[in-house]
Parts: sequence; C-alpha cells; structure tokens
Amino acid sequence: AQTVTQSQPEMSVQEAETVTLSCTYDTSESDYYLFWYKQPPSRQMILVIRQEAYKQQNATENRFSVNFQKAAKSFSLKISDSQLGDAAMYFCAYRSALRGGSNYKLTFGKGTLLTVNP
Amino acid sequence: ETGVTQSPTHLIKTRGQQVTLRCSSQSGHNTVSWYQQALGQGPQFIFQYYREEENGRGNFPPRFSGLQFPNYSSELNVNALELDDSALYLCASRSDRDRDTQYFGPGTRLTVL
Repeated sequence: AQTVTQSQPEMSVQEAETVTLSCTYDTSESDYYLFWYKQPPSRQMILVIRQEAYKQQNATENRFSVNFQKAAKSFSLKISDSQLGDAAMYFCAYRSALRGGSNYKLTFGKGTLLTVNP
Repeated sequence: ETGVTQSPTHLIKTRGQQVTLRCSSQSGHNTVSWYQQALGQGPQFIFQYYREEENGRGNFPPRFSGLQFPNYSSELNVNALELDDSALYLCASRSDRDRDTQYFGPGTRLTVL
C-alpha cells in the first residue's frame, strides 16, 4: 500500500517571500501521479499542481513549482511571492497510474497548514 | 468553483442513527468518489462509483454505502452511526475525457453525538 508523509504540520511565511512544503511517499510502483491540493477555510479542495512520475521535468504553475526527486521519493512544493490568499491547508497526494477501479483513488498526507503573514 | 456541490453543509446526528449525504457533479462526470476527512487528517478514500455501479472501495465497513444516479448526482449513506464517523465528507467527480483531474465539492461536516 502506498503512504504519503508530510512532516511539517504547520509553516509560516511572510507575504512576498518563498516557502517550501515537504512531502515524501512510499510506493513499489514505477509509474504514478503526485498532486498538491490546497484546502482553504471554505473546505473545497483545489488542485494546485500535478506531476507525472515518468516526466523528469518538474511541474510549474505560475508561482507554484515542485521539486520531484523520484529516487528519494520526495515531492516538495515551492510557493514564490507568497500572497495572503495562499493561506490554507496543503495536502500532498498520490495516485497510481494503473487504470480501473480503486486505482484512481487519491492517497493523501496529513497536510501542512500554511500561514501567510502580512 | 469546481461545479461540484454537496448538501447539507452541516449535519448533527446521534449514535446509531442513519444519514444520507448528497453530491451533485458536473454534467458528463461519470465517476464520483467519496472521501472521509477526520479532524486534523487527510481525506481517506471510501469508495468510487462509475456509471451507477461501485467499482472500487477503500477500507470502510459495509455500513457505508452509496448510490449514483443518471443525472450526475450521488449519495453516501451511513448506517448505525458511530462517534468516530464524525468527519468532513468530500465527494469528487471526474469525466472519462480527463481521468486525471478530480473536482472536489466543499464537503458535508457530520457530527455524531
């Protein structure tokens, strides 16, 4: 079974600064997907960024980028130029690349609460 | 906004009761998944429905059941409620055309007393 670990329960950053959230995972599969989701107080889980394991290039979405280290099974999220609206719970998630049924399920870490200070 | 809605927003039940939670997905989203998010935890996969049939299940007992309807709505039913069932319940839907993107609803907060 796959596991996802987020070792930072809370992080804080000053507005306009950069912050990195950590995630490690364990799997015996060679192909899979990794995600970062943001859950603001409104509770709606929003996809921030996605990385396919077979792609060596790190994914980037505007101010959000990842550092994907497949051999180390590490998947960190970097938020540049932090904004007040970035304050939320951030979850790292894993999904198998196998098709069908429960293979589409997301396995989440426990989350990191990000505070952005003005 | 993801186009996925859930009702009710909050719900309070007592131990032993039964509850039905509802989810409305975007048109064309044939797959819906349900997750349980306990306080301070990440969401855990309960089960998945595809074209009105369950086709995947996590480590949850049979008293957790579901239904999916042709109009892209779905239900999560929980019988014989226990105190540990208190959690945020999230539904997530996706289409066949984009299987890699799941759209989450805002969740239903269930409290069992």
